[in-house]
Amino acid sequence: AQKITQTQPGMFVQEKEAVTLDCTYDTSDQSYGLFWYKQPSSGEMIFLIYQGSYDEQNATEGRYSLNFQKARKSANLVISASQLGDSAMYFCAMREVYQTGANNLFFGTGTRLTVIP
Amino acid sequence: EADIYQTPRYLVIGTGKKITLECSQTMGHDKMYWYQQDPGMELHLIHYSYGVNSTEKGDLSSESTVSRIRTEHFPLTLESARPSHTSQYLCASSEYTLYGYTFGSGTRLTVV
Repeated sequence: AQKITQTQPGMFVQEKEAVTLDCTYDTSDQSYGLFWYKQPSSGEMIFLIYQGSYDEQNATEGRYSLNFQKARKSANLVISASQLGDSAMYFCAMREVYQTGANNLFFGTGTRLTVIP
Repeated sequence: EADIYQTPRYLVIGTGKKITLECSQTMGHDKMYWYQQDPGMELHLIHYSYGVNSTEKGDLSSESTVSRIRTEHFPLTLESARPSHTSQYLCASSEYTLYGYTFGSGTRLTVV
């Protein structure tokens, strides 16, 4: 089963508008971390925001916020006041604490966001 | 200022050549990873390491090999490059915590 599901292959948003990128996850662990990364066309992976499974408040980092709904196993990224520079691929990821192997960061398939002037 | 460095950034090379992609980190992280990613697609783990002298294959089968002789250095080698190896290769490192990975800038490899 997929650990991370991103159902939106592509999204468009008008400049200065807000946009929500969806992410659902699957885990039976109680301790885990949720992440969003941005990948511009240049290829590097840029860490945006982190949410721990025990955090009661939604994480925020500037224009980025993570809408964490634990019961629904959902971790959507909200970008407010979109800018042209936000056009990129966005990956949701989850890390489980009790995985014994090093491969314990699971990525979704990504959402390509395009900001329209 | 990057804490994890990958070189070269871009590489175009002929079929059959041996290549080594370099990855170094200055954070003292024990865990390091190599991912392969085709343009606009998901990341696939090809190698990882728990620490010095520890290397394991990832989920995606790869003809490449890795070594971990020093904590900070995790190079990836292709003995004989083929056009099917054309891809982006991303190196990352992490601590044993709930926090995420730190990625390098990637190497875009083209084999002609």
